[in-house]
Amino acid sequence: DSGVTQTPKHLITATGQRVTLRCSPRSGDLSVYWYQQSLDQGLQFLIQYYNGEERAKGNILERFSAQQFPDLHSELNLSSLELGDSALYFCASSVRQVPYNEQFFGPGTRLTVL
Amino acid sequence: ELKVEQNPLFLSMQEGKNYTIYCNYSTTSDRLYWYRQDPGKSLESLFVLLSNGAVKQEGRLMASLDTKARLSTLHITAAVHDLSATYFCAVEWEYGNKLVFGAGTILRVKS
Repeated sequence: DSGVTQTPKHLITATGQRVTLRCSPRSGDLSVYWYQQSLDQGLQFLIQYYNGEERAKGNILERFSAQQFPDLHSELNLSSLELGDSALYFCASSVRQVPYNEQFFGPGTRLTVL
Repeated sequence: ELKVEQNPLFLSMQEGKNYTIYCNYSTTSDRLYWYRQDPGKSLESLFVLLSNGAVKQEGRLMASLDTKARLSTLHITAAVHDLSATYFCAVEWEYGNKLVFGAGTILRVKS
């Protein structure tokens, strides 16, 4: 158990809908990262927040957005869902210890879009 | 753009045998991570490699990093069934930011 929690574990929804994925980082970790894992794209970085502020963006679609709240939990919002959005979404956290930035991953949310 | 390539992508081994997984990356970085993923599960951190020549060992797994060659290896010694999983290498892109993952190596150890 990494200490990172994610809810829900599974989500089944229809095309066109909107969902919210939630992540709580490990105690003391200020950085939260979101990754998408799919069979065709592999593990792709989506976005990073550090202490409430967006720090880096990856291959995140405009239909997707995220935020990190004052208590450091983060939410990933996915809207206008398409079949291709079906994937495993991971949240990871790190404390940015010098000299490295080991990331600890949550259990993931499996999203199925029908 | 940083690219990370792993090979092989699939590895079927007999118990007791040795093998190596290779991870090549395209731009300079001296921070590389190895993760393990069991089917349908999360990623578990195995090794953190921070400098040229770094070598880490845990049980039957040993990881090394050659930053000049932009190459990391994960060596498996005397494989056992419990090592069956998918192994990912990941390179840290822009300190403190994202990890760029390889495609993963699916390892199956047959008894």
